[in-house]
Amino acid sequence: DGGITQSPKYLFRKEGQNVTLSCEQNLNHDAMYWYRQDPGQGLRLIYYSQIVNDFQKGDIAEGYSVSREKKESFPLTVTSAQKNPTAFYLCASSDSWLAKNIQYFGAGTRLSVL
Amino acid sequence: QQQVKQSPQSLIVQKGGIPIINCAYENTAFDYFPWYQQFPGKGPALLIAIRPDVSEKKEGRFTISFNKSAKQFSLHIMDSQPGDSATYFCAGHLNSGNTPLVFGKGTRLSVIA
Repeated sequence: DGGITQSPKYLFRKEGQNVTLSCEQNLNHDAMYWYRQDPGQGLRLIYYSQIVNDFQKGDIAEGYSVSREKKESFPLTVTSAQKNPTAFYLCASSDSWLAKNIQYFGAGTRLSVL
Repeated sequence: QQQVKQSPQSLIVQKGGIPIINCAYENTAFDYFPWYQQFPGKGPALLIAIRPDVSEKKEGRFTISFNKSAKQFSLHIMDSQPGDSATYFCAGHLNSGNTPLVFGKGTRLSVIA
């Protein structure tokens, strides 16, 4: 099955801990994205990557980090500097940066703080 | 202004009704407007999209109406069903190279039987 796989589905973070959310795609897409979703806030862009080995900050990058060492993988680390990490995190991809209007989303990871 | 303003935030309609979700923008450099549908606990999925040189687009029970002079567009769902209950996001694509897709804040639709 082609698509985007996010794992884990649920994740709990302790105070001062860094956690990493996985995002893998087998669509052979160049561009990938991370969004944070809070009730009433819509989809807020954290980081995006137009192509492998490249990534850019989105609107709310503080307290987060990413890497894009492989085309199919775009992991997101929520660092201890992110003071309010509880949210639903969505990963997406598009065929290319120019095709960013058509994004394919994963099923999301729900992160909670213990 | 690189925003797409969406309203209402939530909407409740009875089965068979026609919910209407509105979006507005300021920047005339937007050149493509997709709508995404998100069911609870799932990721959004592309539903329907329109370009500003088209006044209306229909796909099944979903219709986008576009008013270029008013810089507004709306999603209509004909004969709505409880299975249409979801959050709907409008978005705008800017034709300037490095700007990501701009999403509205979403409308939570509930269709009650």
